[in-house]
Amino acid sequence: GESVGLHLPTLSVQEGDNSIINCAYSNSASDYFIWYKQESGKGPQFIIDIRSNMDKRQGQRVTVLLNKTVKHLSLQIAATQPGDSAVYFCAENLRGGGSNYKLTFGKGTLLTVNP
Amino acid sequence: KAGVTQTPRYLIKTRGQQVTLSCSPISGHRSVSWYQQTPGQGLQFLFEYFSETQRNKGNFPGRFSGRQFSNSRSEMNVSTLELGDSALYLCASSSSSDRVYGYTFGSGTRLTVV
Repeated sequence: GESVGLHLPTLSVQEGDNSIINCAYSNSASDYFIWYKQESGKGPQFIIDIRSNMDKRQGQRVTVLLNKTVKHLSLQIAATQPGDSAVYFCAENLRGGGSNYKLTFGKGTLLTVNP
Repeated sequence: KAGVTQTPRYLIKTRGQQVTLSCSPISGHRSVSWYQQTPGQGLQFLFEYFSETQRNKGNFPGRFSGRQFSNSRSEMNVSTLELGDSALYLCASSSSSDRVYGYTFGSGTRLTVV
């Protein structure tokens, strides 16, 4: 049958603004989470990760927040730049049963930064 | 250091043919995983190898197979290609033996089945 394209959530921001990208993860047993950035024609690029014993982690211009109660992750990008334009994915991982070795990805959010 | 290298970058095949894709992990990484990315299904896990052993497999038909060599390089094979196999196939390598820590992706192989 014909594939139906994913209707990616989109976020459009002005250069210099802060961006917040949200993700609902699927498995309450997941204990490790990663945010990836994917630019056109490239593979996903690691941005930041967080383990379930934390609720916040900061990197350079990025912050990840984890709310295990509602199974929600967010990625905050400070002072968004045109080079930040990409699709952003959250991914989850859990220990046990072979699941250690795979990531389950969310659908992704397309971030567009307007100069 | 060199990243994850996937070859070829682009491939066009005809329905019914088979295809082999190659992945060279980051030096020292022994875990190699494969993912399929399509507009309809997003990123989906195919399989993972460590020290030449498959440790986990996703929900794909038996037409999809893989292997890993003693130098950690990996190949995946798709037999009897279908139009729906058109996708970006991504390989990732990890420095950890027991989790996906340090997962680094290659740029992928874009497979088009006509």
